[in-house]
Amino acid sequence: QSALTQPPSASGSPGQSVTISCTGTSSDVGGYNYVSWYQQHPGKAPKLMIYEVSKRPSGVPDRFSGSKSGNTASLTVSGLQGEDEADYYCSSYAGTNNYVFGTGTKVTVL
Amino acid sequence: QITLKESGPTLVKPTQTLTLTCTFSGFSLITGGVAVGWIRQPPGKALEWLAVIYGDDDKRYSPSLKSRLTITKDTSKNQVVLTMTNMDPVDTATYYCTHRLRRTFDPWGQGTLVTVSS
Repeated sequence: QSALTQPPSASGSPGQSVTISCTGTSSDVGGYNYVSWYQQHPGKAPKLMIYEVSKRPSGVPDRFSGSKSGNTASLTVSGLQGEDEADYYCSSYAGTNNYVFGTGTKVTVL
Repeated sequence: QITLKESGPTLVKPTQTLTLTCTFSGFSLITGGVAVGWIRQPPGKALEWLAVIYGDDDKRYSPSLKSRLTITKDTSKNQVVLTMTNMDPVDTATYYCTHRLRRTFDPWGQGTLVTVSS
């Protein structure tokens, strides 16, 4: 299985929105509603931000939202804040209890 | 509260076998649907899923690394062990263990950096 494709970088000014795409295949993203998004600050472990495509864990601001269309999932961060500057990774269930991660996107707050 | 912590060597030589232990608390690995996974991240690179073990002892491995990986659990000690054979410098990475529920990984351990060098 190949890594899911994400843009290397994305940016926005404080208060703006940024959307990150995550493209897979019908064997992973397109085949299951089990896409997750993780935020990772430098030197830290990843933190779950979105699961099952669009659900937010308790404590995650509602500025973070997820969606999916076909083989592509997306994470949108609205009302960008400085603390949102981090790397973001998508992940998808890929059948038979296998998983695949995305290539990662560095979000910069200008 | 669920916590996980990885432990093991920080330096291994090429061709050696790496053994990492994940010690967890706040859940039991006998509950249906619960699992513990291992994920790694080479310096400056992306996350890579390695393996997962379920409460019923079902085990799954990354297809590209399957021949080198073994995952086991010790329910009495709340530990999961990952072994990786024939280590190579390209295996230098931070290795994370994580709790898995509803096909998502949360939370994660702090990670342990393993360097492969002679």
